[in-house]
Amino acid sequence: KAGVTQTPRYLIKTRGQQVTLSCSPISGHRSVSWYQQTPGQGLQFLFEYFSETQRNKGNFPGRFSGRQFSNSRSEMNVSTLELGDSALYLCASRLTDLEKLFFGSGTQLSVL
Amino acid sequence: GQQLNQSPQSMFIQEGEDVSMNCTSSSIFNTWLWYKQDPGEGPVLLIALYKAGELTSNGRLTAQFGITRKDSFLNISASIPSDVGIYFCAALNQAGTALIFGKGTTLSVSS
Repeated sequence: KAGVTQTPRYLIKTRGQQVTLSCSPISGHRSVSWYQQTPGQGLQFLFEYFSETQRNKGNFPGRFSGRQFSNSRSEMNVSTLELGDSALYLCASRLTDLEKLFFGSGTQLSVL
Repeated sequence: GQQLNQSPQSMFIQEGEDVSMNCTSSSIFNTWLWYKQDPGEGPVLLIALYKAGELTSNGRLTAQFGITRKDSFLNISASIPSDVGIYFCAALNQAGTALIFGKGTTLSVSS
């Protein structure tokens, strides 16, 4: 069974640009969550999608948005990039309980 | 807000040594989790704890859910080089809608 797949693995952007990250969950998982990981703040919850609807949202500005498609694949968008958005963005999917999250390898975003 | 304070921040040990790390909070949680993140990978769940006082093992790893429900501990016995990585504690937030993570303990093992 394939795991959570995130593309691309690495991305370099400049300030002011926008970026879209993609996540394919484990087959059969309908919930997809996104986390931001930085050395200073650790892992912080961005949002969760279930059946194409945003179910929960963390404390991030509106520049961070996401969506989920009918096949459960999810995309995350960050507009007007800032230097502080440089981070590893992790996607996770689950079938049932929240603690049984399966993480992808992440997309490393560098904003110059 | 709810925060998990994880310590130590990093550890440098010799192969064969035992390791202890802990996670504390001023808030009460009903579920504690321990994850490991290998370089270049996402976190992987090691142990889940659901009851205060619970002690659970997974191979050489043992974790405990503190009796006050405000802390948790992870022990690794007889460390080996593949134990290298970042260990995170995590807990389910009060609303049950997301995981809160500690900032991690980076473990280095020299052979």
